[in-house]
Amino acid sequence: EPEVTQTPSHQVTQMGQEVILRCVPISNHLYFYWYRQILGQKVEFLVSFYNNEISEKSEIFDDQFSVERPDGSNFTLKIRSTKLEDSAMYFCASSLDWSSYNEQFFGPGTRLTVL
Amino acid sequence: AQSVTQLDSQVPVFEEAPVELRCNYSSSVSVYLFWYVQYPNQGLQLLLKYLSGSTLVESINGFEAEFNKSQTSFHLRKPSVHISDTAEYFCAVRKQGAQKLVFGQGTRLTINP
Repeated sequence: EPEVTQTPSHQVTQMGQEVILRCVPISNHLYFYWYRQILGQKVEFLVSFYNNEISEKSEIFDDQFSVERPDGSNFTLKIRSTKLEDSAMYFCASSLDWSSYNEQFFGPGTRLTVL
Repeated sequence: AQSVTQLDSQVPVFEEAPVELRCNYSSSVSVYLFWYVQYPNQGLQLLLKYLSGSTLVESINGFEAEFNKSQTSFHLRKPSVHISDTAEYFCAVRKQGAQKLVFGQGTRLTINP
């Protein structure tokens, strides 16, 4: 069964450093998403991406964040200058299209720890 | 804006007992409703969803949820749980026409033998 994969499973970085979180969505999916969950808090939407453009983003997704689909398979989230409060579990998801009849499939997450 | 409240952060139950995980939502517009489950070291998996039609929806592994518009609730129930149901359960809503899911805090279901 096809699945969304994410690497690494755990990333530790120093405050101020740049990190890139990687995701491989399901191959025929067209919409891609990033969510995050700070420990003890809700899963929060960050951004959705379609046709090489951001289609929707939240207030959390400020200038320090960027997303990219550098090739036909990977979908990345870059945090330019990490802060302590960026420590969280980051989930990637993909869907066939945006309609609610096609579910969003989630990856296992990358745990980001900023020291 | 939409919001979701899961009142119970943890629910311990005995194996073969019934369980109800509560979910209430707030929205000024029509929404779709979802329950996701996260097993240890795995991603979120869709358990069931309500889009339209019958207010009672069922999953393949015995869970069901009922959409109650007047009470703005979408509680998840199972008449008899198994050890394998141990997981974290997330309720979520999605505004019609929007892409993002809005999640509740999650409820950790632990099954005791």
